[in-house]
This record gives sequence, structure tokens and C-alpha cells, in this order.
Amino acid sequence: GQNIDQPTEMTATEGAIVQINCTYQTSGFNGLFWYQQHAGEAPTFLSYNVLDGLEEKGRFSSFLSRSKGYSYLLLKELQMKDSASYLCAITEPGGGNKLTFGTGTQLKVEL
Amino acid sequence: DGGITQSPKYLFRKEGQNVTLSCEQNLNHDAMYWYRQDPGQGLRLIYYSQIVNDFQKGDIAEGYSVSREKKESFPLTVTSAQKNPTAFYLCASSSISGRGTSGSSYEQYFGPGTRLTVT
Repeated sequence: GQNIDQPTEMTATEGAIVQINCTYQTSGFNGLFWYQQHAGEAPTFLSYNVLDGLEEKGRFSSFLSRSKGYSYLLLKELQMKDSASYLCAITEPGGGNKLTFGTGTQLKVEL
Repeated sequence: DGGITQSPKYLFRKEGQNVTLSCEQNLNHDAMYWYRQDPGQGLRLIYYSQIVNDFQKGDIAEGYSVSREKKESFPLTVTSAQKNPTAFYLCASSSISGRGTSGSSYEQYFGPGTRLTVT
């Protein structure tokens, strides 16, 4: 089985930097996705990590440590439109391409 | 324009009625998935299908049924046996053999969702 933990809520200020953590315990691991979901909308892909290290993509970066079962999503130069839920999801070998999602972190960006 | 469509966006039903949610994709993806999302929660897998005429139960399949008669379509029926059917339902698809934006075949593309309310 899998267990994925994320903080439930976070608040940050426009223009600042915020780090959203995700820890997981699984019997097997292929890779980790981060999705962004605005209220009432579909999740959209942000990043994918399969190897240890940092993946940078514009204002968003994602880090993975496989040995520690830990990932984080880093959002820089926060904008009001970044207020959304951020979902961490993992894939496992032999899992039939399934994703297992954490409960998501609701980020609120304030002025 | 390739993508996934779900209809309707909002659906209201009386308790005791079965209801079918539509999901269609024109991405030529092999695999399709149904998730349920409750307020403040993540996505929980209901059913998934990797090939036409075959599907598997996810973590919360009780009270739901699916069919996969065509590659493009994966309808979900919420039966009267589902105790708490009111939720936001999301359909997704992925290409088992190909690579998404992420470079991974695991990447799932989501439809806009159907919000089902049962009273």
C-alpha cells in the first residue's frame, strides 16, 4: 500500500516564495507528479520527478529524494492566480499506470 | 483540438436513481480512469481501464459500474447502492505506450469534471 502526506493548507504573500512538501511511504516507486487544481476545475500537470534532484520550470521547481521518500514543490514570485490546490501523486511499478494521490495542499496567496 | 470531455458539468438526481456520467477522449489514449473528489480531499480511484473491453476496480469501486466498449469512451454509472454519491467526478486518460508533456507514459490528462448532487 501507499501513504502520501501533504500539509492541508498554506498561506503566502504575493511575490514571495513558498515550498509545499510531500512525503510518501510505498512498497515500490517509479516517479512523482505534481498537479495544480483550481477550485471546481481539472488538475493540470506541473512537474514530474523520477530521479533525485531538482527540476526547474520557470517559476515552479520540484525536488525529489527517493531515499528519503520526500518531494517538494517550490513556487517563486507568487501571484494571486497561484491560489489553488497542489496535488502530489506517485506511480508504482506494475501499478497499471495508476497514480495514487495525496490529499492536496490548499495554497492561498494574499496581498 | 484533442482533449477529454465530460458531460454534463452539473448533475442533480434523486436518491435511489442510477445515473451515468459521460467521458470521451480524442487523444488516442489507451488507458482511462475515473476518480472521485470530496471537498478538501485528494482524488480517489474508482475504476480504470487499460484496453477496450477490460477494466479493473480501483480503491472505492463499490456502488459504481463502468464499461469500455470503445477506446474513446469510458462511462461511469453511479448506482443506487452508492451510499454517498454526492461528489465531484473526474475522468482522466493516459497513453500507455507514448509520452506526455512530462516525458512519462504515466502522465494523466483530466476532463473538466462533473459535479453530481444527489438529494
